Amino acid sequence: KAGVTQTPRYLIKTRGQQVTLSCSPISGHRSVSWYQQTPGQGLQFLFEYFSETQRNKGNFPGRFSGRQFSNSRSEMNVSTLELGDSALYLCASRTGVVTDTQYFGPGTRLTVL
Amino acid sequence: AQSVSQHNHHVILSEAASLELGCNYSYGGTVNLFWYVQYPGQHLQLLLKYFSGDPLVKGIKGFEAEFIKSKFSFNLRKPSVQWSDTAEYFCAVNSPSSYKLIFGSGTRLLVRP
Repeated sequence: KAGVTQTPRYLIKTRGQQVTLSCSPISGHRSVSWYQQTPGQGLQFLFEYFSETQRNKGNFPGRFSGRQFSNSRSEMNVSTLELGDSALYLCASRTGVVTDTQYFGPGTRLTVL
Repeated sequence: AQSVSQHNHHVILSEAASLELGCNYSYGGTVNLFWYVQYPGQHLQLLLKYFSGDPLVKGIKGFEAEFIKSKFSFNLRKPSVQWSDTAEYFCAVNSPSSYKLIFGSGTRLLVRP
């Protein structure tokens, strides 16, 4: 079974731009979560989607948004990029039950110049 | 608010040495506990998880962890490490009613051959 895939793997943007990251979950998984990983703040939860609905949201500004499509694929958007948004953005999927294991993708490395 | 503390940020061991990585969490209710590992250049992978039952949990690659409720701890252990265990280890927690994982800051383990 294919794992979680994320595209693109690397991205370079400049301040003020916006960016969209994509995540394809494992087949059959209906829940997708997004995390930001930085050296200073570690791994922080952004949001989680299940059946196209946001179920949980972390403490990030409104510039960070997401959505999920009917095929469970998810996108994350960051508008008005700031230097501090440079990070590895990880996507994780699971079937949807809270006791299920989350499987992580390889991440998208975003660099904001 | 939930939080997770990993007190050892960097650990250096020789092969065959025993390993114990500390993890403490703060949350008053029932929790699910996890250890994830990130090998150099690879995805986050689940090592083991605890939801209920036997507080001594065995995971992959010879790792185990013990949940001590009275101490709010979930320490990771391995009797004899190998060079291939060099990685960053993350402790994480969520409550059964929440879908977001709260991660510790991680412990970088270097195993010298």
